[in-house]
Amino acid sequence: QQQVKQSPQSLIVQKGGIPIINCAYENTAFDYFPWYQQFPGKGPALLIAIRPDVSEKKEGRFTISFNKSAKQFSLHIMDSQPGDSATYFCAANTGKLIFGQGTTLQVKP
Amino acid sequence: NAGVTQTPKFQVLKTGQSMTLQCAQDMNHEYMSWYRQDPGMGLRLIHYSVGAGITDQGEVPNGYNVSRSTTEDFPLRLLSAAPSQTSVYFCASHEADRAFFGQGTRLTVV
Repeated sequence: QQQVKQSPQSLIVQKGGIPIINCAYENTAFDYFPWYQQFPGKGPALLIAIRPDVSEKKEGRFTISFNKSAKQFSLHIMDSQPGDSATYFCAANTGKLIFGQGTTLQVKP
Repeated sequence: NAGVTQTPKFQVLKTGQSMTLQCAQDMNHEYMSWYRQDPGMGLRLIHYSVGAGITDQGEVPNGYNVSRSTTEDFPLRLLSAAPSQTSVYFCASHEADRAFFGQGTRLTVV
């Protein structure tokens, strides 16, 4: 049973578009919600993270929106670039870091 | 400062063989973990350790053993490899809530 559910599995957008990746969780004990970015042949790297007492966090072109009552959070990438093409994972942490299924993003020039 | 180092990078095993995936970190982190990455399944937690001498099971521990004798090293052992263990394995070292991943080991069991 997947504790963190992520969608879509893949996403294609044009340069400048705003891809949105969604995640949902069940365990209300989760207290930290990071997003990781992974390029081919590399390990995942932390991109941005949020705690449940905040509804939105922005770092550069990346924004997390968090809806505690719905137990959902999402990643928005503003003005997406071909260099953003990667696999993105949401995750949730409560002593153990549990990941979603991943989303492969392709940004076309 | 190398971060998290995993060896080997690639490995092919025959069914039933055993092997150890090595993981070392030089950041003096107490918390380390092992994940496997499979298409459509994301990263699934195999085992984790909150410090030397302390390990616990994650989401998919069956078929894997771990030990933590030092802060730096956290090896993952496959006692009798099965084709279902074909995957990419990532070791991570954690500082507070942030995980630092190694480059991964691509394992194929034939």
